[in-house]
Amino acid sequence: GQSLEQPSEVTAVEGAIVQINCTYQTSGFYGLSWYQQHDGGAPTFLSYNALDGLEETGRFSSFLSRSDSYGYLLLQELQMKDSASYFCAVRDFNKFYFGSGTKLNVKP
Amino acid sequence: GAGVSQSPSNKVTEKGKDVELRCDPISGHTALYWYRQSLGQGLEFLIYFQGNSAPDKSGLPSDRFSAERTGGSVSTLTIQRTQQEDSAVYLCASSQTYQETQYFGPGTRLLVL
Repeated sequence: GQSLEQPSEVTAVEGAIVQINCTYQTSGFYGLSWYQQHDGGAPTFLSYNALDGLEETGRFSSFLSRSDSYGYLLLQELQMKDSASYFCAVRDFNKFYFGSGTKLNVKP
Repeated sequence: GAGVSQSPSNKVTEKGKDVELRCDPISGHTALYWYRQSLGQGLEFLIYFQGNSAPDKSGLPSDRFSAERTGGSVSTLTIQRTQQEDSAVYLCASSQTYQETQYFGPGTRLLVL
């Protein structure tokens, strides 16, 4: 079967750095994406990794290791508005699998 | 430009009734996706349309669920004989050809009584 594992909840203080890990097990793999979802809102795309390594977009970075079936999202200089749920997602050809989400609580 | 729109935004129905959910993708986007999200859970993939290609329907949870996309644009997700476990937020997304960024609509909140 297909599975994506990520921590259910993470708490950090404003200005800090936090890393959200994702391990996946899928029969096929085309890439790992990350999405942010605020309470009551729709998911918004953050990043995508198809190849091993680090992708940086402003305060957010995403890493992928295909050999380890592992990736992470790194959020730097945390702000209160970063409090949200973060989902990793794997594309397996014409199917898309999402993790259960990590709820990030940013405290002042 | 306009984003992905979905209608209705909320739907309350009685068990056993049929419902139709509509999705209008971003103009020019060839790919369209349907997901289901239960409260506090991740997204469950339902179906993916790419251009005029026939979709893989294996992600649909039961034969009560069907989806179509007319003219490569608007899509309708139909649930027949609704059950209480169908209650969830149904999300639609679209993307450009061979682009991984999916743009999500606001969702339809379905409650089956």
